[in-house]
Amino acid sequence: GAGVSQSPSNKVTEKGKDVELRCDPISGHTALYWYRQSLGQGLEFLIYFQGNSAPDKSGLPSDRFSAERTGGSVSTLTIQRTQQEDSAVYLCASSLAQGNSPLHFGNGTRLTVT
Amino acid sequence: GQQVMQIPQYQHVQEGEDFTTYCNSSTTLSNIQWYKQRPGGHPVFLIQLVKSGEVKKQKRLTFQFGEAKKNSSLHITATQTTDVGTYFCAVGVNSGYSTLTFGKGTMLLVSP
Repeated sequence: GAGVSQSPSNKVTEKGKDVELRCDPISGHTALYWYRQSLGQGLEFLIYFQGNSAPDKSGLPSDRFSAERTGGSVSTLTIQRTQQEDSAVYLCASSLAQGNSPLHFGNGTRLTVT
Repeated sequence: GQQVMQIPQYQHVQEGEDFTTYCNSSTTLSNIQWYKQRPGGHPVFLIQLVKSGEVKKQKRLTFQFGEAKKNSSLHITATQTTDVGTYFCAVGVNSGYSTLTFGKGTMLLVSP
């Protein structure tokens, strides 16, 4: 079956512009996560959705970052007024909401802010 | 937030040598998961451990959860070039939902 799909796969934007990243989770997965991975680094948690609500958004680095999920499916991560330090790979993952179920990751969006 | 230390950060071995990465937490964990990320790829789930002292094997990979549920290890016997990648542990604190906190990973290079 289809895995987690993210788009775009690559995004180059100028400093100060807004960007929107999209994630399509695996069908039936009610939990959705956004992580960020800088070059050669680990995974930094950003936000978690259960259905359409976000019980944990403690990892969002600033108020320039926001995310939403609609219909319990697609999620978008929006970064306003991008900065160079926002450059990273943004990974989306989904899982069945049964305790700490395994995460299924998408291929990520590589964001480059020039 | 939850802190998890993963060591070593990097290891380079000759094909056929063994490899071990360790994951340590200061707090008792509900469960631990291990992921592998190939160069240029995304993390892929390997296994989950939930019981104190649990040991699980997947072919040449052996995963262990400490008795105190504060540490875990991943051991690869007789590495192959296909084992190249970064191995991450991810820890959860609560048995219900809790954010999985990832370690910084151990990058494994295997020379033929």
